[in-house]
Amino acid sequence: GENVGLHLPTLSVQEGDNSIINCAYSNSASDYFIWYKQESGKGPQFIIDIRSNMDKRQGQRVTVLLNKTVKHLSLQIAATQPGDSAVYFCAENIGGSNYKLTFGKGTLLTVNP
Amino acid sequence: DTGVSQDPRHKITKRGQNVTFRCDPISEHNRLYWYRQTLGQGPEFLTYFQNEAQLEKSRLLSDRFSAERPKGSFSTLEIQRTEQGDSAMYLCASRTGQNYGYTFGSGTRLTVV
Repeated sequence: GENVGLHLPTLSVQEGDNSIINCAYSNSASDYFIWYKQESGKGPQFIIDIRSNMDKRQGQRVTVLLNKTVKHLSLQIAATQPGDSAVYFCAENIGGSNYKLTFGKGTLLTVNP
Repeated sequence: DTGVSQDPRHKITKRGQNVTFRCDPISEHNRLYWYRQTLGQGPEFLTYFQNEAQLEKSRLLSDRFSAERPKGSFSTLEIQRTEQGDSAMYLCASRTGQNYGYTFGSGTRLTVV
């Protein structure tokens, strides 16, 4: 089937719970980070971003936390809904003005009604 | 529709054939990116245009790949003498100089048989 060979980290939550998706990055020169949501058959959709001079940023139902000491990024989704089910990617800009992004391994979020 | 448009959505081709994909970015976006995504992986950077100038190319972009953005608006990505390893989703993204978050298109899924 389509998922053969797909070895994504997975997170399964109940509707209404909060979700936390984690991402480790490797390059201390990274100065900008983005979280994307990707539904099956679609391109990545921007969720929220954060620059390296910040450690927290909030959006609508989402919060991104950045810990530069341990090179860790997290995405918190409040009151998770079935429509939040998707693959979530973190991406980093490893310095430079061209803002080409390096994507991490995605996490598959499944929200159970 | 003011999003990033990609055409075709799907392409099946025989090994050895040439294929060309088109991307129409958001009209006011002068930065344009091509990425490639294989199943279960995050997108990988291929190339970057600022207006009509191709400013950066990844080592992933072999000699069989060429991208153009002739008038600084739409872009094309051509793959010559396709190989089975070229099978992937090819994603286009655009942004303005002030907005760092990309907007991605829905991609062109290429299958080489």
